[in-house]
Amino acid sequence: DIQMTQSPSSLSVSVGDRVFVTCRASQSISRYLNWYQQKPGKAPKLLISVASVLQGGVPSRFSGSGSGTDFTLTISSLQPEDLATYYCQQSYSIPRTFGQGTKVEIK
Amino acid sequence: QVQLVQSGAEVEKPGASVKVSCKASGYTFTDYYLHWVRQAPGQGLEWMGWINPKSGDTKYGQKFQDWVTMTRDMSISTGYMELKRLTSDDTAVYYCARETGGAVAYMDVWGTGTTVTVSS
Repeated sequence: DIQMTQSPSSLSVSVGDRVFVTCRASQSISRYLNWYQQKPGKAPKLLISVASVLQGGVPSRFSGSGSGTDFTLTISSLQPEDLATYYCQQSYSIPRTFGQGTKVEIK
Repeated sequence: QVQLVQSGAEVEKPGASVKVSCKASGYTFTDYYLHWVRQAPGQGLEWMGWINPKSGDTKYGQKFQDWVTMTRDMSISTGYMELKRLTSDDTAVYYCARETGGAVAYMDVWGTGTTVTVSS
């Protein structure tokens, strides 16, 4: 199974800050990496597919980059509504595996 | 609109079974794989398995091999996930999610979630 490791596990940032969340795969997954946002009490929501493709309706302050084993989710200017936990997930192989999540809190 | 509506919350005793449904609407049910993902309280997302609604083929995570069954009823565009021999560790929110499949795959629509509580 491919292990996905995210860092940090949590971060506390101010509105307007730039946020970086990293995700590392235990083997190369090309660009088959998706990012999800989960707000408290809600189902996950797809933000970015194939490492960098922003889904429709997702604000442009979100972006994704990377390939192989190392990936990054960037929020260019954090907004209050971005309070959530963010998960990476590989779609390179079965079983699908998720990172452990990064909880973003607002200072 | 495209949506996956799941069945309501369940409370079960240890050793019992639970069957959760996931009704699809707004798209062709057989065009997308259906995954099941669970989330224990305060924990992350755990992939359980998937079903190909067109063929009925399934693939389960190794942890769930012997005690989960995923099925579907194409006539009503509904998928099912049954978990047997429940323990308190199975207390979680269970989600279904459709996946595009193919070389570029992502879970773009998620179900409403079903809370399963296992308690004596």
